[in-house]
Formats: sequence, structure tokens, C-alpha cells
Amino acid sequence: GAGVSQSPSNKVTEKGKDVELRCDPISGHTALYWYRQSLGQGLEFLIYFQGNSAPDKSGLPSDRFSAERTGGSVSTLTIQRTQQEDSAVYLCASSERWKAPGNTIYFGEGSWLTVV
Amino acid sequence: QQPVQSPQAVILREGEDAVINCSSSKALYSVHWYRQKHGEAPVFLMILLKGGEQKGHEKISASFNEKKQQSSLYLTASQLSYSGTYFCGTADNYGQNFVFGPGTRLSVLP
Repeated sequence: GAGVSQSPSNKVTEKGKDVELRCDPISGHTALYWYRQSLGQGLEFLIYFQGNSAPDKSGLPSDRFSAERTGGSVSTLTIQRTQQEDSAVYLCASSERWKAPGNTIYFGEGSWLTVV
Repeated sequence: QQPVQSPQAVILREGEDAVINCSSSKALYSVHWYRQKHGEAPVFLMILLKGGEQKGHEKISASFNEKKQQSSLYLTASQLSYSGTYFCGTADNYGQNFVFGPGTRLSVLP
């Protein structure tokens, strides 16, 4: 597609339920990132994937969070047993390559998650 | 390690100038600047690479001083459309360890 596509754009879920957020990066981009942004806050790194390399999961806040990337393209971020503090915008981004000095990162519009 | 941005927030009148600083405690290879308008995703502005270059984008320009491990974003004759949160992102060693700063909230008033 022309840009990074995320779905759903909005999700309201009950505390304790599991949610899945999907990201479709720009075609040809080998690097994919997930960030979390709470209201009025900065960009909190969660995880990134680069090609077939093992993902960098160092930013995942707990073992309730997991992500996978199938076929080097679409990625799914899963949050199990959601808590109210998980409410935030989850931003996916992609770039051509991770380790490139002129790397431009393109963001999707985000998935707004509200846990009630 | 997250870079430091200053100021945290700034309020301007239309037509005024502003400078946003981004500094790191580690050697940098590149600095990225992004702008995020309220309710929208961050949008790329520019990348500066090691070498102390300066870049311009309309009335927004930036410099990168690798010795000081610092970059500055210059907004001249600000417009209402410049309002938003500006994030710098820094990378070392050919793009490794990329991390965003906490952001600077810019408000341009008529």
C-alpha cells in the first residue's frame, strides 16, 4: 500500500480481555516498529523487527505483550489480559532498513485502545 | 539512552521564531526530526547525518553538531500550522540504538 496501515483504528475492550492490533507496513520495508503513546506523552518503544533477524523485544512492558511478524510483512501486536493502564495509542512504523543512516521512519495512523 | 529535548513546551505568536534543542550523552551518527499534530501520527521532517550539516525544509531548518552531540531545530516566522509536538530521534553507529526524545510541545497562537 501507499502507507503504513493499522487496524482497528479504535478499540474499546473490557479489562481482562485479549486484543490484537494489526500493522501492514509499506511494501518493501524490511524494518517494522511498534510504539506506544499514552495521552500527551512521548513515544515509548515496544519492539522492532528487521527482516528475518530475531526481533528486539526490549521495550515490551510485560509478558502480557507479544508481537509477531509473518512472512516479513504484516505484524500483529497482542495484549493479553488487558489492564486499564494499557489504554493508549499503539503506533506502528516501518522503514526500508534498520541499520541505515538515512533511514526515514513512516508511521501509521495508530490504533487507539481503551480498556474499560 | 533517550536524548534530552528542550524546552519541554513553548508558546509563540504567529511570525515569531523558535529553537528546539536535542542533546545526547552518547556519540551520534544521525538525528531525525518528526512533528506530530494533535490526534495524528508523527510525520518525518528531516534527517541529519554525522558531519555537522544543516538542512532546511520550508521555513524549518536544523543543524547537527556531532562534537556537542546536539541538534537544533529552527522554526522561523512560525505559522499556525507549525503547532504540534516535535520529537527528535537519535541513532549511533550507523543507525543502531535508535530512540526518540520526550518531545517538545509547540503552540503557535494567532
